Amino acid sequence: AQSVTQLGSHVSVSEGALVLLRCNYSSSVPPYLFWYVQYPNQGLQLLLKYTSAATLVKGINGFEAEFKKSETSFHLTKPSAHMSDAAEYFCAVSDGAGTYKYIFGTGTRLKVLA
Amino acid sequence: GAGVSQSPSNKVTEKGKDVELRCDPISGHTALYWYRQRLGQGLEFLIYFQGNSAPDKSGLPSDRFSAERTGESVSTLTIQRTQQEDSAVYLCASSSDRWETQYFGPGTRLLVL
Repeated sequence: AQSVTQLGSHVSVSEGALVLLRCNYSSSVPPYLFWYVQYPNQGLQLLLKYTSAATLVKGINGFEAEFKKSETSFHLTKPSAHMSDAAEYFCAVSDGAGTYKYIFGTGTRLKVLA
Repeated sequence: GAGVSQSPSNKVTEKGKDVELRCDPISGHTALYWYRQRLGQGLEFLIYFQGNSAPDKSGLPSDRFSAERTGESVSTLTIQRTQQEDSAVYLCASSSDRWETQYFGPGTRLLVL
């Protein structure tokens, strides 16, 4: 069975600093991996996804994530945080076999300090 | 184009009452999903619809929960005899097919008193 662990329910960074949000997964088959962002009172928006092509995936708003099979990780990064990045971020995994059942992590709330 | 919409955005009800939540998927999307997001937790899969196929109800937590979808149109999630533990945000998503990206609505925040 698949599972997702997001380390740190709350992360604070200064504006302009590196953003690093951690996600580790477990999967018995090659996974598909996703990062979604949720702004206040809005639905989840897809940031990026990994579907077994390039291991470094670039998404919207300057975010990227690297799939590391040896570490079973899919951490989300952005070189320079902006105030507008403040939101909740969710990592999700599916088993890559065309399954529609995403398993979500518990989320990380990112706070950006001026 | 229009995204996934859900109504109501907020619902407060008394324990024991029935509630109905509505989801309007993106036009043309054959797949529709319901999730529940409890405070401080990740999203839990509830149910999946794909076209006219039998839905996957494996995530529904009890028989008080049911959902319907007519064809590829709107879906309603019904919770009967609500309990306080049903308080959560209920999210709907749709995708053009089962293996395509899921697009989420803003959710319905349900509070059971």
